[in-house]
Amino acid sequence: EAGVAQSPRYKIIEKRQSVAFWCNPISGHATLYWYQQILGQGPKLLIQFQNNGVVDDSQLPKDRFSAERLKGVDSTLKIQPAKLEDSAVYLCASSLGGGMETQYFGPGTRLLVL
Amino acid sequence: DAKTTQPPSMDCAEGRAANLPCNHSTISGNEYVYWYRQIHSQGPQYIIHGLKNNETNEMASLIITEDRKSSTLILPHATLRDTAVYYCIVRSPNTGNQFYFGTGTSLTVIP
Repeated sequence: EAGVAQSPRYKIIEKRQSVAFWCNPISGHATLYWYQQILGQGPKLLIQFQNNGVVDDSQLPKDRFSAERLKGVDSTLKIQPAKLEDSAVYLCASSLGGGMETQYFGPGTRLLVL
Repeated sequence: DAKTTQPPSMDCAEGRAANLPCNHSTISGNEYVYWYRQIHSQGPQYIIHGLKNNETNEMASLIITEDRKSSTLILPHATLRDTAVYYCIVRSPNTGNQFYFGTGTSLTVIP
């Protein structure tokens, strides 16, 4: 079974630029999550989708971050404009449902904002 | 959400059992204990989870104390590939079943 796919794996941008990350969850997984992991810390949930609807985006900095999951499969996370403190690894995870099902993580996208 | 406390780092000799402790003294009756690990430059990987009873799978064993205030993840025969950060997480249906990751325990397996 293919795992969660993410691209790109690495991205370097200058502050105030825009950047987008892509995630393809495991086939059949209805729930998709985006996490931010700052160096030395554990992942922090940014947003959770159930199919193509948002379940929780309370931790998403909505002035600069946006995410969508059109058609309930792939998802994109965008940052516009980026700040230095956005430098982090952005992880995508998916699960069959939104209950106690196990979450499976992708390899992440490492973002460096200069 | 119940908080967890883990030692920041541990060493283990290759081939020996690695015992990783976790305190979750404020855990509620319907909250599960999950363990994930994160190898350098990879996403977190699911290891095991449990509610009350001890659990075992092909990767590890999870021992939960009778009062559920602490647990221990056991890797029976640690290898160099087990070097990673191990996260103990209490997952609650009261907070949308979300994972709240702490800083975990950095386990180094020594040859």
